[in-house]
Amino acid sequence: DADVTQTPRNRITKTGKRIMLECSQTKGHDRMYWYRQDPGLGLRLIYYSFDVKDINKGEISDGYSVSRQAQAKFSLSLESAIPNQTALYFCATSAEGGGPDTQYFGPGTRLTVL
Amino acid sequence: SQQGEEDPQALSIQEGENATMNCSYKTSINNLQWYRQNSGRGLVHLILIRSNEREKHSGRLRVTLDTSKKSSSLLITASRAADTASYFCATDFGGSYIPTFGRGTSLIVHP
Repeated sequence: DADVTQTPRNRITKTGKRIMLECSQTKGHDRMYWYRQDPGLGLRLIYYSFDVKDINKGEISDGYSVSRQAQAKFSLSLESAIPNQTALYFCATSAEGGGPDTQYFGPGTRLTVL
Repeated sequence: SQQGEEDPQALSIQEGENATMNCSYKTSINNLQWYRQNSGRGLVHLILIRSNEREKHSGRLRVTLDTSKKSSSLLITASRAADTASYFCATDFGGSYIPTFGRGTSLIVHP
């Protein structure tokens, strides 16, 4: 299912480098999210956006920034990557609120910071 | 911090057996969802149960919700090797409806 795509799928980088992870969706959803997944910790919310002009911090936003370029595009940046940001990153989307927020996930980006 | 916690952390069964995993949460919820994740892939939504519902079915899946005990269970009947995956519960509360995910149960079904 290619409704939510993420690029790159894998990335190895060095400490201090700036990294951008990109997410695109064709589902027409207003809401987009960035999560990170670490072994044994489940998914934790980094940032979320309810529309192009609405950006909100999640549980673990420190060290990250985001940009909502269009309804369909939501990018996550690591301004200066550090090793403990090594994780699996997921983008997700959901339809407009007012009820249960069923999320649709991208395939993930595996990021390794050396 | 996680709102929901799955139990057990890992479950290993034979094909054909039933698999039961549980989710406990801390505060009153609007909805509870179960998601599945195949190794290294994105999560896929399985089923949603609202706080005023007690049981829902979808194919081989049965979900129950006990709001008095703040817990839910996911039953997969007649499991198959293809059910091998991690299963996450996600709860939402308050006005935003954004789900908070637990740490997951890793299910292995042996052929």
